[in-house]
Amino acid sequence: QLQLKESGPGLVRPSETLSLTCSVSGDSIHKSRYYWGWIRQFPGKGLEFIGSVDYTGSTFDNPSLKSRITMSVDTSQNQFSLRVTSVTDTDTAEYFCARISGSGSYYRYYADHWGQGIWVTVSS
Amino acid sequence: NFMLTQPHSVSESPGKTVTISCTRSSGSIDSKYVQWYQQRPGSSPTIVIYEDFKRPSGVPDRFSGSIDGSSNSASLSISRLTTEDEADYYCQSYDSNSLWVFGGGTKLTVL
Repeated sequence: QLQLKESGPGLVRPSETLSLTCSVSGDSIHKSRYYWGWIRQFPGKGLEFIGSVDYTGSTFDNPSLKSRITMSVDTSQNQFSLRVTSVTDTDTAEYFCARISGSGSYYRYYADHWGQGIWVTVSS
Repeated sequence: NFMLTQPHSVSESPGKTVTISCTRSSGSIDSKYVQWYQQRPGSSPTIVIYEDFKRPSGVPDRFSGSIDGSSNSASLSISRLTTEDEADYYCQSYDSNSLWVFGGGTKLTVL
C-alpha cells in the first residue's frame, strides 16, 4: 500500500530556508508514469499547488513561487524534497506531498495519494 | 489567470442529494479537466472525481461529477448523504500553463 510521509522542521525563522522531505513507501519513485508533488494548505484552508518533480528530476514549478523553490528527487532513498528560500509568515501552512497520476497530457493528472501533511510555522 | 468559485458552505439532510458548484471566472470550463477532492476533518484530501466525471476505484457511485458550459461551471453531486460525507470539498483545474488552480472549498454539513 502506497504511503507518503512528510518530514522537516515545524518552525522556521523568517528569511531562512524551509526544507521538507517526502518519504515514499509501497511503490518505487522511479516510475515514469508518475509525478511527485507538493501542495500547501493555508490557515484559512485554501490550497495552493507548489510544484512537481518526476523521477528524472525534471520539475514543474508554480510561477508565483518559482524563484524561491527547489525540488529534487532521490531515487536511491525513494524520497523527494522541497526547499523554499526567504520564507515569510505568508509561507505558514500545512505542506502535503502527493503522488500525481494520470495519462497523456499533464492536464489529465491529479493527486491520487497524499501524505498526512506537516504544519510549518514561519515565526521569529 | 482565472478563479474557481465555490459556495462557502452547503448543508443537507441524511439520505438526500446535494450538489456543489464550481464556477470558472474566465475561459471555458470544458477547456481543461476538473477534479474534486474531499477533505474530512483532520485528514488529508482524497480524490473523488477526476477528468470531470470519472470516479477512482473505491469511490462510491453516490459521487458524480458534471460540467455545464452554459453556466461555465462544474458540479459535484453526492446522493444518499451520510454523516461520513461531512467534509470540505475542493474543485481543481489547470490554467493554460498547466498550473493547478483550486477553488476555495465548500464545507458540507449533513444534519
